Amino acid sequence: RKEVEQDPGPFNVPEGATVAFNCTYSNSASQSFFWYRQDCRKEPKLLMSVYSSGNEDGRFTAQLNRASQYISLLIRDSKLSDSATYLCVVASGSARQLTFGSGTQLTVLP
Amino acid sequence: DGGITQSPKYLFRKEGQNVTLSCEQNLNHDAMYWYRQDPGQGLRLIYYSQIVNDFQKGDIAEGYSVSREKKESFPLTVTSAQKNPTAFYLCASSPNDRLQPQHFGDGTRLSIL
Repeated sequence: RKEVEQDPGPFNVPEGATVAFNCTYSNSASQSFFWYRQDCRKEPKLLMSVYSSGNEDGRFTAQLNRASQYISLLIRDSKLSDSATYLCVVASGSARQLTFGSGTQLTVLP
Repeated sequence: DGGITQSPKYLFRKEGQNVTLSCEQNLNHDAMYWYRQDPGQGLRLIYYSQIVNDFQKGDIAEGYSVSREKKESFPLTVTSAQKNPTAFYLCASSPNDRLQPQHFGDGTRLSIL
């Protein structure tokens, strides 16, 4: 089993739609959780950290369920510019190594 | 502006050649990392360094070497022993704080001639 698993998609949604991605992780000792966004042939960029209580940043909401070991990302009112690959990232261990999921590809259609 | 600079953006390697990828940061971060990304796959950790003059192997260190002589710099050498070097190489840095995320340079694409 992979340490961090994501549905690779692709998710093709119309503008204005709400879309949700889930990610599961296997290490119960994982300490920090993030969502990154990666555009085609570019570097990953931090979208948001994921806090235990859940957190929201504009149209984006992230949630963490430690008991079930998954995190989620909800995007409301999708824009064309949201088209990208979304990477689920989990930090574990004293060295703070990050483990990256393979990413979920989102395409928002006009 | 603070950030991470990787160079070159594109690099071609001949058979049997060692090549070095540069990574410089002016964010005053203690930790630096090198990842490799293959098409359709997630990032895999090659090497990381939490402090000057110290570094640790990641998951796929074979065929690679690094040095950390300065806080700002963490160059990666892809040696001739790395038989499948074609990939997108990403350098990242972060404070040594488990709650802080990593920030990435814009990457180097390495191909075999």
